[in-house]
Amino acid sequence: AQKVTQAQTEISVVEKEDVTLDCVYETRDTTYYLFWYKQPPSGELVFLIRRNSFDEQNEISGRYSWNFQKSTSSFNFTITASQVVDSAVYFCALSEARGTDKLIFGTGTRLQVFP
Amino acid sequence: DAGVIQSPRHEVTEMGQEVTLRCKPISGHNSLFWYRQTMMRGLELLIYFNNNVPIDDSGMPEDRFSAKMPNASFSTLKIQPSEPRDSAVYFCASSLDGGVGTDTQYFGPGTRLTVL
Repeated sequence: AQKVTQAQTEISVVEKEDVTLDCVYETRDTTYYLFWYKQPPSGELVFLIRRNSFDEQNEISGRYSWNFQKSTSSFNFTITASQVVDSAVYFCALSEARGTDKLIFGTGTRLQVFP
Repeated sequence: DAGVIQSPRHEVTEMGQEVTLRCKPISGHNSLFWYRQTMMRGLELLIYFNNNVPIDDSGMPEDRFSAKMPNASFSTLKIQPSEPRDSAVYFCASSLDGGVGTDTQYFGPGTRLTVL
């Protein structure tokens, strides 16, 4: 069965600190896709990144970086030099490549960045 | 480019009333998803359409819920009769579905439903 675990319910940091959000997934498939979405206080869900299971290269986008490790079934998300605008709930999600495009979401990590 | 459009953004109704939520997917996207978000259950998929055809409705909670997609640019999620436990944020999402793996789903702003 597929499952996504985000063990950190809430994280609080002070601006300019680095913060890592953990995501551990379970799947029996060899082909799958991992996603991160951001849900700011305004409530919408904003797509951040999509990664397929064959691409283990880490990715950096500005202050955001993602570390994908198949050996530990993890897809962690790091924000460098956090800012107040990063305050949001972050969701990790998994989709198995069976043609249904069904997303299984983790429970989310609420990040609060204080000035 | 316009993203996924949902209406209304907020809906307050009384128990027993019919509620209809609307969604316009991104133009050119072939797949459409309805999700529900609650504190207790998090984000859960209710139903998924591909090329206007319902593919997976296993997440629809009960017969009070129904969804339609009469054309490629419009979908509705209806609750009749509504109950207080239906109070949640309902999201619509769409994806390109290019037929190669899983495409990214782009979400609408959501409809916050409150059933009194």
